[in-house]
Amino acid sequence: GAGVSQSPRYKVAKRGQDVALRCDPISGHVSLFWYQQALGQGPEFLTYFQNEAQLDKSGLPSDRFFAERPEGSVSTLKIQRTQQEDSAVYLCASSSGAQLNYGYTFGSGTRLTVV
Amino acid sequence: GENVEQHPSTLSVQEGDSAVIKCTYSDSASNYFPWYKQELGKRPQLIIDIRSNVGEKKDQRIAVTLNKTAKHFSLHITETQPEDSAVYFCAARTTSGTYKYIFGTGTRLKVLA
Repeated sequence: GAGVSQSPRYKVAKRGQDVALRCDPISGHVSLFWYQQALGQGPEFLTYFQNEAQLDKSGLPSDRFFAERPEGSVSTLKIQRTQQEDSAVYLCASSSGAQLNYGYTFGSGTRLTVV
Repeated sequence: GENVEQHPSTLSVQEGDSAVIKCTYSDSASNYFPWYKQELGKRPQLIIDIRSNVGEKKDQRIAVTLNKTAKHFSLHITETQPEDSAVYFCAARTTSGTYKYIFGTGTRLKVLA
């Protein structure tokens, strides 16, 4: 696609509900990142995929967070038993390689509100 | 751990004046420093970047400087316009493993007409 596409754009979840957020990266992009952006803050790293391999999940805040990219293209970030502190914008970014020459392209994000 | 500090948190300037945003980073191995502009409700957009083998880079009204010794880099916007109003984020890219970005906390720039 022409850009990084994320869906849904907005999600309201009741506390305790499971949610799934989708990221469709730019076609052919090897690297895919998920970031969490709380209100008024900079994005914070959650996890990184190179193709289908999840090489770094050190930023996932708890075992309620799970991400996958089974075919090396579309990725899903799943949050189980959502809590109010999970409310944030979840940004996906992709880049064409893992090396220095490639910058990120961000998606528009999914704004998650847990009530 | 890795950290990026950004100042100021808010900045108001008159149209036509210059704006400067400063960042410091903790990981001396960081070698790539992008700057993103984020308008309300929109995605962060890359506006300029600099690599550690370069001290300064310009693109029209925007410039970035890097001082590796001090672990400090800055964004300079000249002849500011109302459409420059947004939140600006600096970031430092790690060189280990994932090449993830560590972002600053953002600067809200207001350009007053």
